[in-house]
Amino acid sequence: QSALTQPASVSGSPGQSITISCTGTSSDVGGYNYVSWYQQHPGKAPKLMIYEVSNRPSGVSNRFSGSKSGNTASLTISGLQAEDEADYYCSSYTSSSTPRVFGTGTKVTVL
Amino acid sequence: QVQLVQSGAEVKKPGASVKVSCKASGYTFTSYYMHWVRQAPGQGLEWMGIINPSGGSTSYAQKFQGRVTMTRDTSTSTVYMELSSLRSEDTAVYYCAREGYKLDAFDIWGQGTMVTVSS
Repeated sequence: QSALTQPASVSGSPGQSITISCTGTSSDVGGYNYVSWYQQHPGKAPKLMIYEVSNRPSGVSNRFSGSKSGNTASLTISGLQAEDEADYYCSSYTSSSTPRVFGTGTKVTVL
Repeated sequence: QVQLVQSGAEVKKPGASVKVSCKASGYTFTSYYMHWVRQAPGQGLEWMGIINPSGGSTSYAQKFQGRVTMTRDTSTSTVYMELSSLRSEDTAVYYCAREGYKLDAFDIWGQGTMVTVSS
């Protein structure tokens, strides 16, 4: 099972919106609405930001939103803030013998 | 509050085994699946496997089949991950992560345990 494909880095200025893509196959992202997104600051554990493609857990800012089209899921951060600078990972359920897979990770830089 | 507290850092020699613990508190231990995820230095997240704390059933990533064993102790609300035949490439931070109720997502994470494999 290969990792889902994410851009290595995305950047934006404060207040702007950015979108991170997560591309898989019909056996994972495209086949199930079980895509989640995680934020990880340096030296910290990941934090759940989006589950089941577009749902936000309690306490997560509504500046974070998720969507999916075909085999590609996306995370959009609107009104970019300095505190959003972190690594972001997508994850999906898969029908393979390894039933969970993560994306390659995207470093978000706030200019 | 809901939390997962993992055991401390380990240094092991190649070929040895390591056993990392993850103690859950603040919720009904047997009601939530637990996953293990690792992250090598400067690298991404890698899913290792899942255990059902209720019955003890497990499913492991194909990459770790035969080398990893996940167990649980319901009396102490603790799950364990043992990795054997360690090699330098196993140097990583190991996380336990709870699967949220009716969510296919990891809603609570442990603080991570650094395992260093070095001769």
